[in-house]
Amino acid sequence: EVQLLESGGGLLQPGESLRLSCAVSGFTVSSYAMAWVRQAPGKGLEWVSSIAVGGIPYYAGSVRGRFTISRDTSRNTLYLQMTSLRAEDTAIYYCARDTILDYWGQGTLVAVSS
Amino acid sequence: QSVVTQPPSVSGTPGQRVTISCSGGNSNIGSRAVNWYQHLPGTAPKLIIHTNNQRPSGVPDRFSGSKSGTSASLAISGLQSEDEADYYCAVWNDSLNARVFGGGTKLAVL
Repeated sequence: EVQLLESGGGLLQPGESLRLSCAVSGFTVSSYAMAWVRQAPGKGLEWVSSIAVGGIPYYAGSVRGRFTISRDTSRNTLYLQMTSLRAEDTAIYYCARDTILDYWGQGTLVAVSS
Repeated sequence: QSVVTQPPSVSGTPGQRVTISCSGGNSNIGSRAVNWYQHLPGTAPKLIIHTNNQRPSGVPDRFSGSKSGTSASLAISGLQSEDEADYYCAVWNDSLNARVFGGGTKLAVL
């Protein structure tokens, strides 16, 4: 059975950093592209980042240069390192199996506020 | 403002057929496959159509997708109360080198 479980969310102040994790079971993270998608309060879904099978990362313009996507095949885990956090980064963050986003986690909440 | 546009809301009565449009351009829908997601707040989004018109296993055949040129559509026939949710189209955008979601459409079953 495929399962994705996000963790690492929390309440932070602007400018702080945070790393989200997505523990995967049922398939190997290195065999599929993986993605992070977020939903800010009252807003729609927003794609944040993807990492291709070959390891090439892709980022939304709103996070490029501040967020880094990576994976650890030994832990079968996807990560999202977030730096210089802003209030507009407040959202539920979901990890999903790319390229059609067929499996999703339940999400983890990141709140950025002073 | 997303580069891919959906109507903010649609509505229908039980048993009716509704369609949700997704309008883009040559660098996204015009050249790439479109996927559709159903989302209930507080839950994980669910893939209901991929590659323009393919239904994943377990998705009722009441859901169908189509694409023509730079537009795509999701149709839901035999509307049921459980279909009330937010629906999103998503597609890769070659000029942005990024995936884009439509703004989402809230479906109300009256």
